[in-house]
Amino acid sequence: QKEVEQDPGPLSVPEGAIVSLNCTYSNSAFQYFMWYRQYSRKGPELLMYTYSSGNKEDGRFTAQVDKSSKYISLFIRDSQPSDSATYLCAANYGGSQGNLIFGKGTKLSVKP
Amino acid sequence: EPEVTQTPSHQVTQMGQEVILRCVPISNHLYFYWYRQILGQKVEFLVSFYNNEISEKSEIFDDQFSVERPDGSNFTLKIRSTKLEDSAMYFCASSYSTNTEAFFGQGTRLTVV
Repeated sequence: QKEVEQDPGPLSVPEGAIVSLNCTYSNSAFQYFMWYRQYSRKGPELLMYTYSSGNKEDGRFTAQVDKSSKYISLFIRDSQPSDSATYLCAANYGGSQGNLIFGKGTKLSVKP
Repeated sequence: EPEVTQTPSHQVTQMGQEVILRCVPISNHLYFYWYRQILGQKVEFLVSFYNNEISEKSEIFDDQFSVERPDGSNFTLKIRSTKLEDSAMYFCASSYSTNTEAFFGQGTRLTVV
């Protein structure tokens, strides 16, 4: 199943850098798009939740969805060592938190 | 802060044995989910559960799998006859409604030998 594709990285950046994480998806029926953060040995934690196209900002995090190109992005400004984690994009048809289709995750390391 | 708890953190079982993975969702949540992640692979949806019945399930969730809410606090995933390919991290999650955040537990690592 290749409905959501994500470069697994790893991605290493210096502290303070702007990080860009990206996913593509194939199913045009997807309406809801999420970004999860997963620390080592923990479950995924929801960061951002976007409906349809557009931008959503929350502090240092901005999520973008471009439905015309089927492209999902997460930007992290002023990255911190505590942002080091695996970032998972996910999508689904309805708003339910069930039946989420996840990307493989991108492992991010922010070096002090 | 309320959290989803899963036990055990690691379970080793022999092929063909039955296993039950246990979860205590957040107390006022009504929707419950199981996901799994095979090492190096994507997190995959298994099943969602509401009002004491399955509301959605994936192709992975075949007759070998079952879920139950045996009492007011626990939510379990049973695998009847484990196979080597069932080895994975299993995550339980819960949410208050269908469009509010689902909180994930820390996972149970299942190793089938």
